[in-house]
Amino acid sequence: SQQGEEDPQALSIQEGENATMNCSYKTSINNLQWYRQNSGRGLVHLILIRSNEREKHSGRLRVTLDTSKKSSSLLITASRAADTASYFCVTRGNKLVFGAGTILRVKS
Amino acid sequence: DVKVTQSSRYLVKRTGEKVFLECVQDMDHENMFWYRQDPGLGLRLIYFSYDVKMKEKGDIPEGYSVSREKKERFSLILESASTNQTSMYLCASGQEGAHTGELFFGEGSRLTVL
Repeated sequence: SQQGEEDPQALSIQEGENATMNCSYKTSINNLQWYRQNSGRGLVHLILIRSNEREKHSGRLRVTLDTSKKSSSLLITASRAADTASYFCVTRGNKLVFGAGTILRVKS
Repeated sequence: DVKVTQSSRYLVKRTGEKVFLECVQDMDHENMFWYRQDPGLGLRLIYFSYDVKMKEKGDIPEGYSVSREKKERFSLILESASTNQTSMYLCASGQEGAHTGELFFGEGSRLTVL
């Protein structure tokens, strides 16, 4: 498969807790992006990290990238019920590659 | 606000019918993409276009064709719909170049083929 692999496939947490999702990929990349998809809707861009960056923050989001391990993680701090969605990592080298997604459920 | 608009959110068609899915973007992007999304399979690229009248096959082009006559519009065509083409179809657009940024997605078109 050319898809990235995300871990876990599904995650259920309480409101206020932190959520961590991981993404592994197979080929060299130019950048890695994370997207969110609410049920039945299109994908919305969250954050982009370039291959020469190791960590990036945006509001409650923190993304790390380890190119030696070909992996990335997305941390959502102080989660809210509205964060309930599927989260995808997308790697961009010569080709766009989507991960299978992590389904996050935040219980209020 | 930047926008990618897909013409239909929900469609129901019969086997053998011709189906057109339209996508329009207002950001003057060079690249446009059609994906289908199925449970357990994630997003799979059907076709993409990097310029007017240019198209490239993605990972699963069989049974589909595309048209890009104008920069802002990218159409996906199912010449003869089949039940295995029941899916969510997502259109996206983005800037040219491997180092550039985000993709902008439409809201999706959920197609059911009976």
